[in-house]
Amino acid sequence: DTGVSQNPRHKITKRGQNVTFRCDPISEHNRLYWYRQTLGQGPEFLTYFQNEAQLEKSRLLSDRFSAERPKGSFSTLEIQRTEQGDSAMYLCASGGDVGNTIYFGEGSWLTVV
Amino acid sequence: RKEVEQDPGPFNVPEGATVAFNCTYSNSASQSFFWYRQDCRKEPKLLMSVYSSGNEDGRFTAQLNRASQYISLLIRDSKLSDSATYLCVVLTGNQFYFGTGTSLTVIP
Repeated sequence: DTGVSQNPRHKITKRGQNVTFRCDPISEHNRLYWYRQTLGQGPEFLTYFQNEAQLEKSRLLSDRFSAERPKGSFSTLEIQRTEQGDSAMYLCASGGDVGNTIYFGEGSWLTVV
Repeated sequence: RKEVEQDPGPFNVPEGATVAFNCTYSNSASQSFFWYRQDCRKEPKLLMSVYSSGNEDGRFTAQLNRASQYISLLIRDSKLSDSATYLCVVLTGNQFYFGTGTSLTVIP
């Protein structure tokens, strides 16, 4: 158990609905990452927080995606107007000092029907 | 060009075999390197960090060649439980870049 918690673990939603995922990182970690992974691919970077500041966003993160980390602790990833192509596993990871490794939560599986 | 490239395999090897995975990265400024293991429909888990001097953890040996921008993982005496996907990971700036993974199946 790495200590990173994600919920919900599974979400099935109709196309066009909004979904929100939550990530609770390891408590002392100031870095938090969101990734997306589809079958047969490695995780793709979405966004990165250092404390409450969102420092980097991938161009994959369209305007339908938004992420927050309001108090530098937990984070949310919201997808608005979901599309079938959004179906994937959304992974959250946290890390301590820069250069050190990151630890993943169990992921949130999204299926858009 | 992708930041990290790996041979996706699959590698199917008998128990007890030695198997090696390779990975290349494109950015010479990359500062840290890792191998992660991922089981089917599970999250990636850190297997080991990779250092220029090479490092070993039991049956696993990792090597980094900065000049060639090449990373390797050697698994000796393969066990059935080693069956998984192995992800090569490179840290460049603040971003961790993942390869597509190499699939390993160890056969009884």
